[in-house]
Parts: sequence; C-alpha cells; structure tokens
Amino acid sequence: NAGVTQTPKFQVLKTGQSMTLQCAQDMNHNSMYWYRQDPGMGLRLIYYSASEGTTDKGEVPNGYNVSRLNKREFSLRLESAAPSQTSVYFCASSDGTRSYNEQFFGPGTRLTVL
Amino acid sequence: KNQVEQSPQSLIILEGKNCTLQCNYTVSPFSNLRWYKQDTGRGPVSLTIMTFSENTKSNGRYTATLDADTKQSSLHITASQLSDSASYICVVSRHSGGGADGLTFGKGTHLIIQP
Repeated sequence: NAGVTQTPKFQVLKTGQSMTLQCAQDMNHNSMYWYRQDPGMGLRLIYYSASEGTTDKGEVPNGYNVSRLNKREFSLRLESAAPSQTSVYFCASSDGTRSYNEQFFGPGTRLTVL
Repeated sequence: KNQVEQSPQSLIILEGKNCTLQCNYTVSPFSNLRWYKQDTGRGPVSLTIMTFSENTKSNGRYTATLDADTKQSSLHITASQLSDSASYICVVSRHSGGGADGLTFGKGTHLIIQP
C-alpha cells in the first residue's frame, strides 16, 4: 500500500500560470482533503471532499478549485498562480469527516510562485 | 476564536534525555485532541488521539496527557532518539452540526535531538 501519493513533489511557477496538483489514495477512504502549510502557521484547510461526488470549501479556498475525479483521486487546481500561493500543499484522506477518523497525509508538494 | 498554541516553538535536547511539549487550546465545543509527528519533508503522522474523558495515553516512548478543565495537553518523550527529531503538531477537533468536524492545527514545536 502506497497510502496517499502526491505529484509533483516540487514545482516552480511564474505569476499567472496555472497548474494542477494530483493526489491519490489506495486505502478506500471516503473523504479527502487539501491543506496548505506556511512557515510559522498551522496547516489550513483549502477544500475537502466528504465523499465521491461532493466537494466543500475549507478555511482558505480563494484562488483554488478542486475535482474529486473518483473515489481514489482528488486534484487541486490553481488557475492563475500568485506569489501568495507559495506554500507546501498536503493532501490527506480518511474514512469519514468526523474528528475521530484519522487523517493520513501525503508527502506534500512544495510550490514556489515567482 | 478557536486557537491552538504550542510551546516551545523549538527545542534542542541531547539524545537519551526526556522532554515535554505543551499545547493550550481554546477550541469549543471540544471533540478530541491529536498529536502528530511531522518529519522534515514529509506529511504529518498521528501519534495519539485523546477524547474528553481520557487524561493520559501512551504510544511507545510518547505519552500524551490532557486536562480538559484547563484546556491543556502535553506530549512527553522519554529517552529521546535521533529519529525523534521532527515537528510535533497539536490538533484540536470540534464537533460541527453539518459537514466536516473542524480541525484547528497548532504551529508545531520543532524538536532537534543532538547526539
């Protein structure tokens, strides 16, 4: 079992460029999440998908879109990247969205926007 | 406002020594509290989860305590090893009426174990 995988591991973009971060999980989890982690701040939820076919905004959704492609895959898209989106992005998955459901995190994508 | 404060921000100790990390929170209504370990360049991994009624829980050399009255938690690491060098993140959950339960992440304590 690979758990949660993310691609790419690193990415450098210029302001205004677009890109999609990919995430897949092989644990048959229902729920998937996208977080960003910035220096000196705790992880913040961007979007989540409670189950296949549904997506909801988190704490910091502006500038992002998501797609729950199927039960395994959840992608995050930056339509027009801005320097403020420079961050490390983590995808996570869990059985459900209740707090007792442990979230399993991927290795992260380090994104720099110039 | 739901907040999780961790202290110290960073800590350096010698291999074999013990240490204690602190977490204070103002999250309400409280559901549970988790401690995560995040190695450099990796995603967080859950160490322990504690509910309102639990005041201590161990996972190997890691022991977490919870005082729900004072809204404080600690993570004690015994006989530290070089592999314990990581960031330790306190995460407090609150019940929500609909949608996903809310998680509030602390900024983490960066622990360095020196040989």
